[in-house]
Amino acid sequence: AQSVSQHNHHVILSEAASLELGCNYSYGGTVNLFWYVQYPGQHLQLLLKYFSGDPLVKGIKGFEAEFIKSKFSFNLRKPSVQWSDTAEYFCAVNAGENYGQNFVFGPGTRLSVLP
Amino acid sequence: EPEVTQTPSHQVTQMGQEVILRCVPISNHLYFYWYRQILGQKVEFLVSFYNNEISEKSEIFDDQFSVERPDGSNFTLKIRSTKLEDSAMYFCASSPTSSGVFRGTQYFGPGTRLLVL
Repeated sequence: AQSVSQHNHHVILSEAASLELGCNYSYGGTVNLFWYVQYPGQHLQLLLKYFSGDPLVKGIKGFEAEFIKSKFSFNLRKPSVQWSDTAEYFCAVNAGENYGQNFVFGPGTRLSVLP
Repeated sequence: EPEVTQTPSHQVTQMGQEVILRCVPISNHLYFYWYRQILGQKVEFLVSFYNNEISEKSEIFDDQFSVERPDGSNFTLKIRSTKLEDSAMYFCASSPTSSGVFRGTQYFGPGTRLLVL
């Protein structure tokens, strides 16, 4: 069965600091990888996704993530965070071979950015 | 930009009562999902629905749960006899055809917070 782990439960940064949130998954086959963000009181929004091709993907709001197949990792990065990035971040995986596959979510990482 | 919508945003019910959570997926999407998130825990998959039938369900989705697409737009989750442990945020999601750049991407609604007393 697929599983997703996220390294940090809660990350606290000052504005302008660099961010890296870890995500590892376990699944032997082809996967699609996603990062979703949940701002306080709001629903899950897609930040970025990886299906194939260039392992470095760029998303909205200056976020990027790198897929490292050998490490089963898909870490999220941002060079300079802002207070408005305060949110919960979820890594998610679904199997790549079949259509309509459900997501397996990681437990989430809460990011607090101090002004 | 089209969005997934859910109603109600909050629901409080007594244990043993039936609840129906409603979702309107994005109109040209073909795959529909329900997830739940118990407070402080991760988002968990409940069920997926395609071509008017359940395509996959998790262990959580037992006989107390059912889903329906009663018309061309709504997608509902029914809990027949609620338990205290059903208290959670329930998210609906939809996904377009699985080819091309949107393959596998799911778009989430704002959620319904269910509290069972």
